[in-house]
Amino acid sequence: DTGVSQNPRHKITKRGQNVTFRCDPISEHNRLYWYRQTLGQGPEFLTYFQNEAQLEKSRLLSDRFSAERPKGSFSTLEIQRTEQGDSAMYLCASSPRTRNYEQYFGPGTRLTVT
Amino acid sequence: AQSVTQLDSQVPVFEEAPVELRCNYSSSVSVYLFWYVQYPNQGLQLLLKYLSGSTLVKGINGFEAEFNKSQTSFHLRKPSVHISDTAEYFCAVQTGTASKLTFGTGTRLQVTL
Repeated sequence: DTGVSQNPRHKITKRGQNVTFRCDPISEHNRLYWYRQTLGQGPEFLTYFQNEAQLEKSRLLSDRFSAERPKGSFSTLEIQRTEQGDSAMYLCASSPRTRNYEQYFGPGTRLTVT
Repeated sequence: AQSVTQLDSQVPVFEEAPVELRCNYSSSVSVYLFWYVQYPNQGLQLLLKYLSGSTLVKGINGFEAEFNKSQTSFHLRKPSVHISDTAEYFCAVQTGTASKLTFGTGTRLQVTL
């Protein structure tokens, strides 16, 4: 397994701009998760996919946030009209069909909104 | 809804000393329990997990944890720490019917000579 990869690793953007992050899960993992981690806090769940279906969304995921996993492989997380409060580490994780309780995390994308 | 409490935000310890990082959880249903470690500028790595069965679980890097249902705790221990164990440690809970992990706020383990 090559591990979960995320791009970009760092993103600096100005308030009001749109940003998009990409996550490539471990091959053949059918579940993919997005979490957000702010400084000094644990990761907070945002949303997850089983194959291409988005099965759960947190209340944290406002209407400015959208996530997709069109072919059941990679996923994108888009934030529209970014706000300073969106500054955080965005983590992606994936889990295999047979052991879906085990989540493998990527290195994260650090977003800074100025 | 489930929740996780890690009472110690920071734990300083000397190298080769034992350490215990505390974790308490709250849930109205049965849970799976996890400890993850996060090194600076990296993602989270799974240390160990409790699903069922023996309440003492062993993980990577010499860590172990004990599930105590009556005290709703899942404390992490290591008998002798190394400088390389310096990191942030997160306890997490997952219910049987939900896939999301609910994390505690983390404990910073600082190992010094």
